[in-house]
Amino acid sequence: QPVVTQPPSASGTPGQSVTISCSGSSSNIGPNYVYWYKQAPGTAPKLLIYRNDQRPSGVPDRFSGSKSGTSASLAISGLRSEDEADYFCAAWDDSLSGLVVFGGGTKLTVL
Amino acid sequence: QVQLQESGPGLVKPSETLSLTCTVSGGSIRSNYWSWIRQSPGKGLEWIGKIFYSGSATYNPSLKSRVIISVDMFKNEFSLKLSSLTAADTAVYYCARDGILSTGWFDYWGRGTLVTVSS
Repeated sequence: QPVVTQPPSASGTPGQSVTISCSGSSSNIGPNYVYWYKQAPGTAPKLLIYRNDQRPSGVPDRFSGSKSGTSASLAISGLRSEDEADYFCAAWDDSLSGLVVFGGGTKLTVL
Repeated sequence: QVQLQESGPGLVKPSETLSLTCTVSGGSIRSNYWSWIRQSPGKGLEWIGKIFYSGSATYNPSLKSRVIISVDMFKNEFSLKLSSLTAADTAVYYCARDGILSTGWFDYWGRGTLVTVSS
């Protein structure tokens, strides 16, 4: 199975900025859009960023996405306690017959 | 506002087949692709497959031999069947609305249903 890699953990203090990386390959992130999801404990994931850098309505502009080559990043500025959650990246992978691949997730702790 | 609701058994025996249904309200099932995604306890997300209202389905190659996803556009629902269950299939199963042109764009999710595989 194709692999998309995220750091298992990240942290920051309130008000700080933090960046979460997502590393893929030429069969997934390279040619396709990247999506980011936030998952608070005990809840379903919530779409945070679509098509690399677009925010759905209702998502604060403190959240921003970017992509370069086979990697993508999620940046969160002005960190708040409610940002503490798991964050997942996702992309379509063109290998085999095609599938969605998720990163392993990054647990963000607000210290 | 589109809402999705999973339904099905919470406990299934090993070697049996899991059947789950996702009921869509507040929107037409004809508008998008629809996916099933699962999350093993304490683990990451795994995409199972997707379906269009026409019945055209795409599956994760790692599960393809055991999965069938179907759709009933008259009931506005779609379903998942996963056969030959083992303990490794224990997970929270989510249904989600997928993009039309871009798979991976899950903008609406069900709350998820925990399925435990145990005798």
